Amino acid sequence: NAGVTQTPKFRILKIGQSMTLQCTQDMNHNYMYWYRQDPGMGLKLIYYSVGAGITDKGEVPNGYNVSRSTTEDFPLRLELAAPSQTSVYFCASKPGQGDSYEQYFGPGTRLTVT
Amino acid sequence: AQTVTQSQPEMSVQEAETVTLSCTYDTSENNYYLFWYKQPPSRQMILVIRQEAYKQQNATENRFSVNFQKAAKSFSLKISDSQLGDTAMYFCAFMKFNTDKLIFGTGTRLQVFP
Repeated sequence: NAGVTQTPKFRILKIGQSMTLQCTQDMNHNYMYWYRQDPGMGLKLIYYSVGAGITDKGEVPNGYNVSRSTTEDFPLRLELAAPSQTSVYFCASKPGQGDSYEQYFGPGTRLTVT
Repeated sequence: AQTVTQSQPEMSVQEAETVTLSCTYDTSENNYYLFWYKQPPSRQMILVIRQEAYKQQNATENRFSVNFQKAAKSFSLKISDSQLGDTAMYFCAFMKFNTDKLIFGTGTRLQVFP
């Protein structure tokens, strides 16, 4: 199993540009998450999904959109990128509620908006 | 709302010595989980140890153990026989029962010296 994979690893965007951060997991996990980690801070939840077709907002959803058309993929869309979205983005997955309490994290995407 | 506080931004320890990282949290919930995650320079988030609030016994995983004080809302991590590979950021995290959403502290950077 590759686990949770994220692409790209690094990206520089200009203000106002859009992009999609890709996240894929091959563990057949139902739950998937997107976090951002600002310098010197812990991770904050952007969006999460409990299964294909179901998504919900986390703590810091503004400026982002997600979709979950398959169990494996959970892309994060940034529209009109702003400098405040400069951060490291982590995707994570978990088998399901009550099945396991551990979230498995991807390696992260470092995004810079200038 | 739940909050997690890590009051030690940086710690250092000599190889083979013992170090304790502090974490306090604020919640009105009775059922929850607490976690310590390790983030080495590779950025990969790795679960170190977890504690269920309903268990009085402190969790232990090899050289890692916790001191869980529910009444004081304290959850410290003790690393025994520190190794160079323990050098990393350590995050304390809280999860309310049946929510599947992690709330992270700001982290403690641990440096292990030879």
